[in-house]
Amino acid sequence: AQTVTQSQPEMSVQEAETVTLSCTYDTSENNYYLFWYKQPPSRQMILVIRQEAYKQQNATENRFSVNFQKAAKSFSLKISDSQLGDTAMYFCAFMATNNNAGNMLTFGGGTRLMVKP
Amino acid sequence: NAGVMQNPRHLVRRRGQEARLRCSPMKGHSHVYWYRQLPEEGLKFMVYLQKENIIDESGMPKERFSAEFPKEGPSILRIQQVVRGDSAAYFCASSQVADRSPLHFGNGTRLTVT
Repeated sequence: AQTVTQSQPEMSVQEAETVTLSCTYDTSENNYYLFWYKQPPSRQMILVIRQEAYKQQNATENRFSVNFQKAAKSFSLKISDSQLGDTAMYFCAFMATNNNAGNMLTFGGGTRLMVKP
Repeated sequence: NAGVMQNPRHLVRRRGQEARLRCSPMKGHSHVYWYRQLPEEGLKFMVYLQKENIIDESGMPKERFSAEFPKEGPSILRIQQVVRGDSAAYFCASSQVADRSPLHFGNGTRLTVT
């Protein structure tokens, strides 16, 4: 079974600055997908970014980018030019590929990010 | 194209009552996943269903919880004889096929047991 660990329960950052959220995972598989989801106070789960394990290039999506270190099983999220609207819970998630679990995700415990004006 | 629809948004039940949570997947999606989120925690997988079939229920409590996804109509998560520990947000997600694409989530149902 896979596990996902987010070691930072809470973080804060000043508006316009950069922040990095950590995520590590444990798996014996070689092919898988990793995701970051954002959950604002509205409770909606919003996909932020996706990384395929077989791709060496780190995924980027506007102000969001990841640092994917496959050997270290690390998948951190960097938010540049932080905005007040980035205030939310952020969840790291793992999706296996060689099983019968479809698109099932395993989530970390989350990091609460507060962007301060 | 409407997203994943969950209702009700909020549900209050007294201990011992039954709770029924509904999930209509995105149009064209035939795979549904239910997750539970306890306060200040991440989402925990409960069950994965396709139309008329339960594929993986490894995250479902053995008693009082059941799920279905009939040929017609929404997927239903049913909790019988609710207890205070069942209070949580319950999320539904859907996908078109098991293609490893990102899941699309509904806005969740917050169940409060009094």
